[in-house]
Amino acid sequence: EVQLVESGGGLVKPGETLRLSCVASGLTFSEAWMNWVRQAPGKGLEWIGRIRRETDGGTTEYAPPVKGRFTVSRDDSKNTLYLQMDSLKTEDTAVYYCTTMGKWGQGTLVTVSS
Amino acid sequence: DVVMTQSPLSLPVTLGQPASISCRSSQSLVHSDGNTYLDWFQQRPGQSPRRLIYKVSNRDSGVPDRFSGSGSGTDFTLKISRVEADDVGVYYCMQATHWPLTFGGGTKVEIK
Repeated sequence: EVQLVESGGGLVKPGETLRLSCVASGLTFSEAWMNWVRQAPGKGLEWIGRIRRETDGGTTEYAPPVKGRFTVSRDDSKNTLYLQMDSLKTEDTAVYYCTTMGKWGQGTLVTVSS
Repeated sequence: DVVMTQSPLSLPVTLGQPASISCRSSQSLVHSDGNTYLDWFQQRPGQSPRRLIYKVSNRDSGVPDRFSGSGSGTDFTLKISRVEADDVGVYYCMQATHWPLTFGGGTKVEIK
């Protein structure tokens, strides 16, 4: 069974930094294109970034609201996906999901508030 | 960005009756590789999203055959042949043909 388990969420102040992790099991992680999707409280889904598998270049893409502030990376030796979030804004408050699109984690809540 | 417009926003349905959700994109979702990357997701209350349909009409493993997807170009539909209580939640379409990937605003399905 595929499992994606996010961690690292919490309460931070505007301008601060946070790093989320997502540990994958039950799939060949190194073969997967991985995404981060977020959902603000009571709102819809927003794709924020993805990383291709290494054999496809391991390149990343980001949605405009987070480009230049967020960085997606992966460590295939640890079956782990990361989301480094810098210069956080109040509008980044959301549940952050790690997903292959076919499989989703349970999400981790990030709250940005002074 | 490609804008995904879903309708209706809210869909009250009677148990056992069919339901249909529309999703329209602001530009064609046919990729240069010939595929159309249009997916449908279900999010039950308090749960993570779950993909139901990928590439317009392919059901994910474990998805009941009551769910079907159809469409082409810019116009797509998710149909539930007979709504069950378990189907309550919000349904989203998503395009992955163009960067950035974009979701529709969601359709809330509830039982009358």
